[in-house]
Amino acid sequence: EDKVVQSPLSLVVHEGDTVTLNCSYEVTNFRSLLWYKQEKKAPTFLFMLTSSGIEKKSGRLSSILDKKELSSILNITATQTGDSAIYLCAPLVYGNNRLAFGKGNQVVVIP
Amino acid sequence: KAGVTQTPRYLIKTRGQQVTLSCSPISGHRSVSWYQQTPGQGLQFLFEYFSETQRNKGNFPGRFSGRQFSNSRSEMNVSTLELGDSALYLCASSEGHPTGELFFGEGSRLTVL
Repeated sequence: EDKVVQSPLSLVVHEGDTVTLNCSYEVTNFRSLLWYKQEKKAPTFLFMLTSSGIEKKSGRLSSILDKKELSSILNITATQTGDSAIYLCAPLVYGNNRLAFGKGNQVVVIP
Repeated sequence: KAGVTQTPRYLIKTRGQQVTLSCSPISGHRSVSWYQQTPGQGLQFLFEYFSETQRNKGNFPGRFSGRQFSNSRSEMNVSTLELGDSALYLCASSEGHPTGELFFGEGSRLTVL
């Protein structure tokens, strides 16, 4: 059975702080690791990581995959209140679109 | 391009009743997946439909079922509702190739009393 663990489950930071979120996974036939952001209801796609060690960046967000350690981190620098959300990671396996999401990292950014 | 549309957005049912939720995917998307989200269990995969066929199924009891129509719209049904079925039900569409990039709707919030 797929296993996805995210840490920390929740954290509160001040605007301008840097946040590091962790995701570890155990799946069979791993293909890629996806990160989503859920602000209110609909999760939105952030990153897809396939290759180990290659950082993906989008503005103040960046993410990297470590296939050897079966883990990924998502960094948010210079946090803003708009970064308050639940960040979800999910490994994708070969052959289907089924995502096994972790329970998420709830981030609250206070002014 | 219109996004994924789910109806109804909110509904309240009592134990033992059944419910049908609807999802209209993004135009051109052929795959529709359903997820259940609860505070305790997080986001859990229910099933995926592609070209009117169920392609994948999660570990939910047979009370949870779904179908997809020729226009890619999908419905899911939950029969004999239990209190534990109270959740946010999210639908996600994709073009069909298993890339993992899903486009989610706003969800249907089901409360079972």
